[in-house]
Amino acid sequence: AQTVTQSQPEMSVQEAETVTLSCTYDTSESNYYLFWYKQPPSRQMILVIRQEAYKQQNATENRFSVNFQKAAKSFSLKISDSQLGDTAMYFCAFMKYPSRGDKIIFGKGTRLHILP
Amino acid sequence: ETGVTQTPRHLVMGMTNKKSLKCEQHLGHNAMYWYKQSAKKPLELMFVYSLEERVENNSVPSRFSPECPNSSHLFLHLHTLQPEDSALYLCASSRLGLAGVNTGELFFGEGSRLTVL
Repeated sequence: AQTVTQSQPEMSVQEAETVTLSCTYDTSESNYYLFWYKQPPSRQMILVIRQEAYKQQNATENRFSVNFQKAAKSFSLKISDSQLGDTAMYFCAFMKYPSRGDKIIFGKGTRLHILP
Repeated sequence: ETGVTQTPRHLVMGMTNKKSLKCEQHLGHNAMYWYKQSAKKPLELMFVYSLEERVENNSVPSRFSPECPNSSHLFLHLHTLQPEDSALYLCASSRLGLAGVNTGELFFGEGSRLTVL
């Protein structure tokens, strides 16, 4: 069975700083996707970034980037130049590929506070 | 309207009540999901409707009953709930690709906050 572990329940950083959220996972699958989802307070959860396991290059989306270490089963999210709007719960997630509507496994989340 | 819409946003019910949560997606997706979000716990997948086929999590108590009349609507019928069922219930949808393969991008609603007294 796959598991996703986020070891940081809560973090706070000053606006404009860089912050890294940690995620580790456990799987015996060779093909899979990894995700970071963001859930702002009282708002919809949205996909931030996705990484295919077969790709060696780390995914980036503007200020968001990941450090994917397949051998170590580590998938951290780096937020550069953090903004107040980045305040949210961040969930790391795993999905084996291919998948026909199978479950996406989520971690418990990290609550991130960006301080003015 | 676009996106995934859930109603009601808040629901308080007694243990003997029967109520339903509704989800509607306007994205043309062909898979819909119910998740349970409790504090300090991972999101828990409850039910999946994929290409109109229900994939059920066997650990979900029978007091939760899903219904998917078409690809745009999803319901979660609730009856004789317990206080520990109080949580945020999230609906999501996705588009399945070739052969029904999931690319993993879920589009979530804002959730229905359920309180069972």
